[in-house]
Amino acid sequence: ETGVTQTPRHLVMGMTNKKSLKCEQHLGHNAMYWYKQSAKKPLELMFVYNFKEQTENNSVPSRFSPECPNSSHLFLHLHTLQPEDSALYLCASSQGQIVSGNTIYFGEGSWLTVV
Amino acid sequence: AQTVTQSQPEMSVQEAETVTLSCTYDTSENNYYLFWYKQPPSRQMILVIRQEAYKQQNATENRFSVNFQKAAKSFSLKISDSQLGDTAMYFCAPRINNAGNMLTFGGGTRLMVKP
Repeated sequence: ETGVTQTPRHLVMGMTNKKSLKCEQHLGHNAMYWYKQSAKKPLELMFVYNFKEQTENNSVPSRFSPECPNSSHLFLHLHTLQPEDSALYLCASSQGQIVSGNTIYFGEGSWLTVV
Repeated sequence: AQTVTQSQPEMSVQEAETVTLSCTYDTSENNYYLFWYKQPPSRQMILVIRQEAYKQQNATENRFSVNFQKAAKSFSLKISDSQLGDTAMYFCAPRINNAGNMLTFGGGTRLMVKP
């Protein structure tokens, strides 16, 4: 049982499609994150939200568009993706900021395949 | 540039034996936090252990302990009495280099526990 749930767990989309990944945390945290995990590359931070406000954008292409309507929900809207965007997308949350030593908790990830 | 190095891409250990996973990093900070995460085949990242750089005492969580050498910028993970369920990818993740509200992940070590 995880406190951070992601849907869908698997997604296959064409390069012209528009889809969204959803993340919900049940831990009462106020910070949420999107990470990308590609084969043979370290885990990469994409976006950070703190109290619904975006605080980090790690030079992510505009074809990835995050949305954080409240502290419990985080979306990643996808459009006109490229095959190299195929990866595992991990959502995470924390109570407070990592700079203060707080632990981040991850969801199980959404496997994205772009064809 | 990669600032977190896990020099062992793959390791194996016999069940009940002890194994040590290495991690080195680069930072100019004095106070920071370090984490080890485990990613089993389910792909969910699970916190294994956490260390605060200002504490001289090495962190311990049951069979897991760290050897934190601040001057050497080394943060190794020791797993004692290895169990089959310890088979996973292990990621070192310090919060370093004024990285704001984010962790920097190493490339990971794939650990196989053999019966």
